[in-house]
Amino acid sequence: KNEVEQSPQNLTAQEGEFITINCSYSVGISALHWLQQHPGGGIVSLFMLSSGKKKHGRLIATINIQEKHSSLHITASHPRDSAVYICAVRRAGSNYQLIWGAGTKLIIKP
Amino acid sequence: DAGVIQSPRHEVTEMGQEVTLRCKPISGHNSLFWYRQTMMRGLELLIYFNNNVPIDDSGMPEDRFSAKMPNASFSTLKIQPSEPRDSAVYFCASSFVAGIDYEQYFGPGTRLTVT
Repeated sequence: KNEVEQSPQNLTAQEGEFITINCSYSVGISALHWLQQHPGGGIVSLFMLSSGKKKHGRLIATINIQEKHSSLHITASHPRDSAVYICAVRRAGSNYQLIWGAGTKLIIKP
Repeated sequence: DAGVIQSPRHEVTEMGQEVTLRCKPISGHNSLFWYRQTMMRGLELLIYFNNNVPIDDSGMPEDRFSAKMPNASFSTLKIQPSEPRDSAVYFCASSFVAGIDYEQYFGPGTRLTVT
């Protein structure tokens, strides 16, 4: 079993829909990252969380440390949100080692 | 800042040839990461430098791979000899690691095709 699991693997939705992508992990962590990879290939860091909730524009990320679970939400989704969203966790005790999820491919149709 | 700069963006080479990928991290960052991304394995950490010193190279696949960071503003990843299974996108990322809270900033990647 992978240490970081994302669901769903693929998600197709209509423009305007509320999107939720989930990440579950089985190891102790010091932080969790959400990243976005566009079809062109570039990777952009969206959030880094160690507790609670963060919001940036239409994106919201939450983490529940006790349940070892994080969610990434997109409100009022738009076709430009189409990308692969990747969850990665920093293993507790390491200041650099990331364990990567497999990614969720999101397609938003106009 | 221009962000992390990688070159070349695309490289096509024949099996057996030497390949050198280059990375310029963000000025002021003290850590640099080389990753490889494939469809089968996703993102894999190849090597991690801190203050120009290789800290963890356990992800380097084999002796054909080598990485250097001669100074704080430049790093190379070399594959010699290259093989078709090395075909992947190679990303360089940099960060300022102080304690546990930091973000990694990724370069645009180098898409390597070995024929």
